[in-house]
Amino acid sequence: QVHLVESGGGVVQPGRSLRLSCAASGFTFSGSAMHWVRQAPGKGLEWVAVISYDGSNENHGDSVKGRFTISRDNSKNTLFLQMNSLRAEDTAVYYCARAEGQQLGPWGQGTLVTVSS
Amino acid sequence: QSALTQPRSVSGSPGQSVTISCTGTRSDVGGYSYVSWYQQHPGKAPQLMIYDVTKRPSGVPDRFSGSKSGNTASLIISGLQAEDEADYYCCSYAGSWSWVFGGGTKLTVL
Repeated sequence: QVHLVESGGGVVQPGRSLRLSCAASGFTFSGSAMHWVRQAPGKGLEWVAVISYDGSNENHGDSVKGRFTISRDNSKNTLFLQMNSLRAEDTAVYYCARAEGQQLGPWGQGTLVTVSS
Repeated sequence: QSALTQPRSVSGSPGQSVTISCTGTRSDVGGYSYVSWYQQHPGKAPQLMIYDVTKRPSGVPDRFSGSKSGNTASLIISGLQAEDEADYYCCSYAGSWSWVFGGGTKLTVL
């Protein structure tokens, strides 16, 4: 059974960096593309980034392009999101999700990132 | 990457049917058969309910169905039950390995 656990969230000052992790189990992680999606407090879902099964391809949403980087370590079954130059508007719960075809399959429970001085 | 357009709220009584629309463009909803729908209860992670416009993952009741016409996709929930009360989000593949979500619809079961 697919299990995804995000970690690394917390309170960070504007302009600083943070790295999120997503530990995966219950499926062949090295065979699955993965997504990050975020949800600002009281708001809707926003797609953030995707990475291919082997890490050779990735893409990021316009609002984070150039500041965030998705990556993975298949030897550790872990997905990452490096977030630099953080802004107040990046405050959100960040979810990782397994890509299944063109849809997002099981999701983790999320980790909260708060950008505030 | 503009968000897909969904009604902010819909409502229905138990046993009734409701339809949630999701309007995009030819670059996303209208250009691909890759619309998915997610249910989210308060404080919980989203759960996939419909994918590839009309397909249901195993375990999702057949009361949930999907359709698409042009640039608008729809989620239809028939035989409403109290546990269907939640937020619903559509999502479409938008080409060039990117995805876009709708703004979300709050379903209230009266």
